[in-house]
Amino acid sequence: RKEVEQDPGPFNVPEGATVAFNCTYSNSASQSFFWYRQDCRKEPKLLMSVYSSGNEDGRFTAQLNRASQYISLLIRDSKLSDSATYLCVVNAGNNRLAFGKGNQVVVIP
Amino acid sequence: DTGVSQNPRHKITKRGQNVTFRCDPISEHNRLYWYRQTLGQGPEFLTYFQNEAQLEKSRLLSDRFSAERPKGSFSTLEIQRTEQGDSAMYLCASSLPTGGANEQFFGPGTRLTVL
Repeated sequence: RKEVEQDPGPFNVPEGATVAFNCTYSNSASQSFFWYRQDCRKEPKLLMSVYSSGNEDGRFTAQLNRASQYISLLIRDSKLSDSATYLCVVNAGNNRLAFGKGNQVVVIP
Repeated sequence: DTGVSQNPRHKITKRGQNVTFRCDPISEHNRLYWYRQTLGQGPEFLTYFQNEAQLEKSRLLSDRFSAERPKGSFSTLEIQRTEQGDSAMYLCASSLPTGGANEQFFGPGTRLTVL
């Protein structure tokens, strides 16, 4: 079983709409969780950390469900500039990050 | 620019040749990581340094791969006898020394194509 599972999509989202996706992780002992954003042919960049109490940053909201071992990301009022791949990331121990395949989001005008 | 830098940005080589990539981390970061990313996949962990010590290596890092960080600053990743399956983006990241939840900052990557 992969450490982090994500449905890659693509997710075609009308501009202004809300999109949500999630990922599951296999190691119940994982302690740190993140969403990274990766633009086409660029390096990943941290979007937000995911805390047990959830995390909200502007139009972006992340949630963690430890019991079911999944992490979610919700984007409200989608902008064209939100088009990217969103990588679900788990700290797999010794600071090694385990990445999902990513959710590809395409915001359509 | 004070971010993570990687050189070269692109490398095309013939199968069987050796290649070496360099990573310069953010100066105050003592942790350095190498990842590999292929098309349609997320980055996969290869190895991790704390200062000059290589503390963890993935099973993906076959004996043709070697990484060094001799002075605890820049790092090199060498691939010997390259194979077509080595074609990928090789990403370097660095982070601050404390805690397990610190952000890893990635460099722009070196894209390797093995013909």
